[in-house]
Amino acid sequence: GAVVSQHPSRVICKSGTSVKIECRSLDFQATTMFWYRQFPKKSLMLMATSNEGSKATYEQGVEKDKFLINHASLTLSTLTVTSAHPEDSSFYICSASGGPYGYTFGSGTRLTVV
Amino acid sequence: DAKTTQPPSMDCAEGRAANLPCNHSTISGNEYVYWYRQIHSQGPQYIIHGLKNNETNEMASLIITEDRKSSTLILPHATLRDTAVYYCIVRVANYNTDKLIFGTGTRLQVFP
Repeated sequence: GAVVSQHPSRVICKSGTSVKIECRSLDFQATTMFWYRQFPKKSLMLMATSNEGSKATYEQGVEKDKFLINHASLTLSTLTVTSAHPEDSSFYICSASGGPYGYTFGSGTRLTVV
Repeated sequence: DAKTTQPPSMDCAEGRAANLPCNHSTISGNEYVYWYRQIHSQGPQYIIHGLKNNETNEMASLIITEDRKSSTLILPHATLRDTAVYYCIVRVANYNTDKLIFGTGTRLQVFP
């Protein structure tokens, strides 16, 4: 099957620092990866779509300078939350297209900003 | 915006079939219906997808109405481990985009 690895699973950082989250497709190449954000008891909200070798496309209302996305290879995309603040605390989930089911999700990253 | 509507919650007795409905009345002819589920604090897990015909796999069955405006996910013999939030999603795909937009989902509670 298709496996997407997301790291770290949990991170706590101080307000004002930056945090990088990695998303890797382990057994398939993903030309497109997606980043979602999820608040408690809410659905997943698409933040951006990243294509390998090109700039990410952000959904309306998502700050591109706050959430930097890099998709440098066919198996790796990264999301960097810059100058994090407590309101950025959330569950971040990546997804990759190209596996046998079309879209495979990572296990998520719980970010807590203190 | 999500193109699907689902009931917010449902209950099902263990061992019985769970039938989860979904309305997608604005679906286009080439748009697929996908079902995922999410167990607390985990990433969504793929269940099944279809275009026009009914589909079945080892996890579930997907019944799509002839006009494609609604569908039903069937878990034939629900277990306690099937307790999760189930998302019905219409895949948005056109010349410059291809993505899954999640709706609010149905919280399925399987009880003993």
